[in-house]
Amino acid sequence: DADVTQTPRNRITKTGKRIMLECSQTKGHDRMYWYRQDPGLGLRLIYYSFDVKDINKGEISDGYSVSRQAQAKFSLSLESAIPNQTALYFCATSEPSGKGEAFFGQGTRLTVV
Amino acid sequence: LAKTTQPISMDSYEGQEVNITCSHNNIATNDYITWYQQFPSQGPRFIIQGYKTKVTNEVASLFIPADRKSSTLSLPRVSLSDTAVYYCLVGDIYSGGYQKVTFGTGTKLQVIP
Repeated sequence: DADVTQTPRNRITKTGKRIMLECSQTKGHDRMYWYRQDPGLGLRLIYYSFDVKDINKGEISDGYSVSRQAQAKFSLSLESAIPNQTALYFCATSEPSGKGEAFFGQGTRLTVV
Repeated sequence: LAKTTQPISMDSYEGQEVNITCSHNNIATNDYITWYQQFPSQGPRFIIQGYKTKVTNEVASLFIPADRKSSTLSLPRVSLSDTAVYYCLVGDIYSGGYQKVTFGTGTKLQVIP
């Protein structure tokens, strides 16, 4: 099983609809992140959380919200989806020890029509 | 955030050694240099990390000069499966987490048969 699991893997939704992307991890990490990637571009940080009671905006948080339901779960919501939110979304975890590496999920490809 | 500059793309033949250099002139004392690899439609994957001098693991080497203003990722004897985008990240990922680093556009490595 993957260390970081994202659901759904693919989703097509209509403009104006609310949609939630879910992320769960088995790494036991406190730090979790949501990124967005557009074609040909790098990853841009949307939100991050360092523990269940800690939620922080990233570089591009407008139009998004998050919920940290538990240490292992971090959800991203688009309250009213718009076409320019069509992108590949990644969830990741990391810990402040060892190699400090981040572990990424397989991504959710979201299309807003 | 430390700004990084790396080539947009590189081509290499199978079996050759590939060196990808990243410039980071404003690196701070507590910053680490971390490289990630990303295949199409997959999340980035940690390759190697260093602070100074040379680090080697089973897949790559990382060379960091004494002034730490640049770093070079070396991939020995690349194969077609090494075709991917490679990201150079610079930041204090231990105390600051990944909101303190930026995934730029990376270097797209194309390995040619």
